[in-house]
Amino acid sequence: ETGVTQSPTHLIKTRGQQVTLRCSSQSGHNTVSWYQQALGQGPQFIFQYYREEENGRGNFPPRFSGLQFPNYSSELNVNALELDDSALYLCASSLVDRDEETQYFGPGTRLLVL
Amino acid sequence: GQQVMQIPQYQHVQEGEDFTTYCNSSTTLSNIQWYKQRPGGHPVFLIQLVKSGEVKKQKRLTFQFGEAKKNSSLHITATQTTDVGTYFCAGQRRSGGGADGLTFGKGTHLIIQP
Repeated sequence: ETGVTQSPTHLIKTRGQQVTLRCSSQSGHNTVSWYQQALGQGPQFIFQYYREEENGRGNFPPRFSGLQFPNYSSELNVNALELDDSALYLCASSLVDRDEETQYFGPGTRLLVL
Repeated sequence: GQQVMQIPQYQHVQEGEDFTTYCNSSTTLSNIQWYKQRPGGHPVFLIQLVKSGEVKKQKRLTFQFGEAKKNSSLHITATQTTDVGTYFCAGQRRSGGGADGLTFGKGTHLIIQP
C-alpha cells in the first residue's frame, strides 16, 4: 500500500453542516494534495499544501479550507455543506523534486450530504 | 484553465485483445501520470512520464508521452480480466516556484468480456 491513510472512511452529514476530513501522509513527504472525486468522474484538484502553507488551489470556493501539520498529517475542512459536496475525498502525499512528483493516494473518505 | 481530455470514455474488449486510451492536454505539461482505479477503490499510481517523446513499458503496458508534451497514451497488450478498471491520465504543470495539482482526465472504463 501507499502508506497514506485517511479517516473516517465514510461520513454522512446534512446540508449546512461542517466537516473535517483527516489524512496522514507518508513519512518524509513534504506535500499533500486534496482531491474531490464525484461519482463517475476523475478527481478534481482542491488544493495543495507544501511545508504547511497552501501552495496551489483549484476551482473550489473558500468554504473548502485546509491545514498541514509538521507531523505529516493534514486536514480538509468544508463549511456550509451542500448536496453537491457528496463525493469521494482523496488526499495524496508526495515529495516534490524538480519536475518529478509522484503522488500517493490514500483510500479516500466517502462523504454523503443529505 | 488547463483541461485534459481522455478518450474513449468506455472500452469493451474480449479477453486477449489489445486496449488503448488517449489523453490530450490543452497546455504543455511538465509531466503526465497514469493511474488505475478499481471499482470502489482509489487511484493507484502506475507511472510518470517527464521527457518529450518518452516511452516506458511495464510488462504488457506501454506508456507514451508526445513530443510536444501535450498528449499521451496507454496501450495494454493481450488484456486479462485483472486489467478491469478505470484508467486515468493526470497532467501536471510547474508554475513559478510551486506546482499545480494534477489535472485528471475523466478516465477510460475498461470492461473485459471473458
